[in-house]
Amino acid sequence: DGGITQSPKYLFRKEGQNVTLSCEQNLNHDAMYWYRQDPGQGLRLIYYSQIVNDFQKGDIAEGYSVSREKKESFPLTVTSAQKNPTAFYLCASSIVGDSHGQPQHFGDGTRLSIL
Amino acid sequence: QKEVEQNSGPLSVPEGAIASLNCTYSDRGSQSFFWYRQYSGKSPELIMSIYSNGDKEDGRFTAQLNKASQYVSLLIRDSQPSDSATYLCAVSNFGNEKLTFGTGTRLTIIP
Repeated sequence: DGGITQSPKYLFRKEGQNVTLSCEQNLNHDAMYWYRQDPGQGLRLIYYSQIVNDFQKGDIAEGYSVSREKKESFPLTVTSAQKNPTAFYLCASSIVGDSHGQPQHFGDGTRLSIL
Repeated sequence: QKEVEQNSGPLSVPEGAIASLNCTYSDRGSQSFFWYRQYSGKSPELIMSIYSNGDKEDGRFTAQLNKASQYVSLLIRDSQPSDSATYLCAVSNFGNEKLTFGTGTRLTIIP
């Protein structure tokens, strides 16, 4: 079955530690996205990529980094510079359409907490 | 000013009634509109897309778009307890795959 796989489901970070969240898709989508969701709030865009080896900052990129070495993979690193990392992290993907914006499809998410 | 606004709720609707969820947006260049359903603790699930003015129906769901008034709505007919969730409105511009999300409306269906 095609889909988006995020791992791990739960992750704990120690002070001063970098952690990497995995996102893999087998939908053959060109575009991939990372969002952060805090309790009772909407989704905020961290980074996105529409093509391999290229990515752009979203609205809240500070303290995060990404790479896009393969079409299928878009890992997110939460660095020690991100002082409030506790949140629900969602990865999404979409096709890149010609005529109008395309819907995004989401993985199951990773919950990150500070130890 | 928020780019995509939704009433946060909670919106309580009796089982079997019609639930009406509304969303307004500020960017007149917006071309694509989506409704997502998010159960507590889960990821968003796409339930409707709409691109043209008017109504689009899919089963018990109807999306309505009025670009002149800059609003999009979602109607859920014959509401079921399983419809209890947070509904997110998302908007994008032509040629731009980025989505801007509202903060969501929490819907509770009362048996």
